[in-house]
Amino acid sequence: KAGVTQTPRYLIKTRGQQVTLSCSPISGHRSVSWYQQTPGQGLQFLFEYFSETQRNKGNFPGRFSGRQFSNSRSEMNVSTLELGDSALYLCASSPRGDNRASNYGYTFGSGTRLTVV
Amino acid sequence: GNSVTQMEGPVTLSEEAFLTINCTYTATGYPSLFWYVQYPGEGLQLLLKATKADDKGSNKGFEATYRKETTSFHLEKGSVQVSDSAVYFCALSEQGGSEKLVFGKGTKLTVNP
Repeated sequence: KAGVTQTPRYLIKTRGQQVTLSCSPISGHRSVSWYQQTPGQGLQFLFEYFSETQRNKGNFPGRFSGRQFSNSRSEMNVSTLELGDSALYLCASSPRGDNRASNYGYTFGSGTRLTVV
Repeated sequence: GNSVTQMEGPVTLSEEAFLTINCTYTATGYPSLFWYVQYPGEGLQLLLKATKADDKGSNKGFEATYRKETTSFHLEKGSVQVSDSAVYFCALSEQGGSEKLVFGKGTKLTVNP
């Protein structure tokens, strides 16, 4: 059974550019969440999607956005990149669509390492 | 808001030593509690979980008990192996609807042969 697939694994961008990261959840999983991991701030929640709807959003500026497609694949976009956006971006999926999805344990991908120069 | 505090690392142990990583939380209501592990270059893997007070989660020799009276969820293992070297994260999910996981800062464990 394939795991959560994130592409690309590594990315280098210049300040001011925009970037799109992709996440394919485990087949049958409908809930997808995104997290940012940095040495200083640790793991921080970005947003969560279910059935193409954003159900929850973390405390990030509007430059961070995402979406989910009908096949549950998700993308996140960061516009006008800043140096501080350099991080490991993790996607996680859950088989449950109700409000206890996290109790079933999200399965995380290996992440996309974004470096902004 | 909700938060998780775990002991600062790094933690260095010899093989077969006893491991404890402390985790305490602040939350309203009755959150579910988790330990995740991250190996170098990989994403997070769920190690164990507990969804209500006094529950004990266990997996691969690791254990943690949900203690509501002390708002704690300490991770323990009786005999660590070199392969346990990783970063361990304590986390909670809020009760009743939010799918957001709140993580601690992580504790890096190194086990030497």
